[in-house]
Amino acid sequence: GENVEQHPSTLSVQEGDSAVIKCTYSDSASNYFPWYKQELGKGPQLIIDIRSNVGEKKDQRIAVTLNKTAKHFSLHITETQPEDSAVYFCAAKLQGAQKLVFGQGTRLTINP
Amino acid sequence: DVKVTQSSRYLVKRTGEKVFLECVQDMDHENMFWYRQDPGLGLRLIYFSYDVKMKEKGDIPEGYSVSREKKERFSLILESASTNQTSMYLCASRGGGQGTQYFGPGTRLLVL
Repeated sequence: GENVEQHPSTLSVQEGDSAVIKCTYSDSASNYFPWYKQELGKGPQLIIDIRSNVGEKKDQRIAVTLNKTAKHFSLHITETQPEDSAVYFCAAKLQGAQKLVFGQGTRLTINP
Repeated sequence: DVKVTQSSRYLVKRTGEKVFLECVQDMDHENMFWYRQDPGLGLRLIYFSYDVKMKEKGDIPEGYSVSREKKERFSLILESASTNQTSMYLCASRGGGQGTQYFGPGTRLLVL
């Protein structure tokens, strides 16, 4: 089955700097890659996703890139703000499957 | 506004008790999921359901069962709670195909 590895497990950046979180997946048949943000005391919320027919997607300060050949995808947050502090999860879904396979999560801390 | 609701935010139970965690979604989604979240282990899938009365085991089904009698409701049952089931439990739902997966706010369960 699919396996997703996420790095780093913790990340601390200065406010205004960029943050990058990376994930690798094992099954080349995966074709959907969402990213979730989980704030303290809340359930995860989708912040951006990408499908395998696209190499990059951007939404304001957040972007995701996908390298199908290397089987990895990354979340990029620019001009970080204190409210970006949270746990971020990547996930992958095999074509035709019902379930998402999640990475282990990254705790991002933005230092003022 | 999409909604996944869970019956309790916090729950304290005794070892050996039968515990019911309820999840309701209002989006007419076919797929519903139960995860548990533990520090350092990410989101682990317990059970999921892709239709009424249908269920499939996830990665860690031992000690749990589920019930889906109506499309909008998915229940997680701990037949005899144990201390190692102390965790955060997250419910999620998703429509067919590549639809977005939405999470509930979570139930933090403490088993004494």
